[in-house]
Amino acid sequence: DAGVIQSPRHEVTEMGQEVTLRCKPISGHDYLFWYRQTMMRGLELLIYFNNNVPIDDSGMPEDRFSAKMPNASFSTLKIQPSEPRDSAVYFCASRSTGGAGTQYFGPGTRLLVL
Amino acid sequence: SQQGEEDPQALSIQEGENATMNCSYKTSINNLQWYRQNSGRGLVHLILIRSNEREKHSGRLRVTLDTSKKSSSLLITASRAADTASYFCATDENSGSRLTFGEGTQLTVNP
Repeated sequence: DAGVIQSPRHEVTEMGQEVTLRCKPISGHDYLFWYRQTMMRGLELLIYFNNNVPIDDSGMPEDRFSAKMPNASFSTLKIQPSEPRDSAVYFCASRSTGGAGTQYFGPGTRLLVL
Repeated sequence: SQQGEEDPQALSIQEGENATMNCSYKTSINNLQWYRQNSGRGLVHLILIRSNEREKHSGRLRVTLDTSKKSSSLLITASRAADTASYFCATDENSGSRLTFGEGTQLTVNP
């Protein structure tokens, strides 16, 4: 298995632009998680899905952030409009229901908003 | 304070020495997990210990769990330079679906 795939790996954009991050979970996994990691705040859970349905989005910082999971093999995290404080590494992770809670992380997308 | 706090924040040792990292948490858990993150990479699962277990081993890793003190420790024996990374504990609260990660311990193993 290729593991969790994220794209792009790096994104540099200007304030006000729309940013879309993509994730392909491990095949067969029914949970998908989006995290944000910064030096100041550590690793934060933004939102997670179960069977493509958003379960908990309480970590989404504000309305500028949205996430979708149109099918079991694809999810997007969108920031519109982006701001410099959104600069961070965004991770996607997936797990299966029977996996004792172990999560498998993608390589992350390093976002820089100028 | 957040669930899953690691101690120390940073640890620097010589190759061959043992490294011990501690984690404290606040709520009841199903299990506690340790993850490793190399610089610029995603987190990688190392080991999981269930709430009814007290100790677990995996290669050079030894994890203990004390639910009465709501704490866990990760011991890496005979450390190597390649063990240099950040180590995070994560708690699986009774709801079971999500993990809450601590702030991590940055381990540096000097050759």
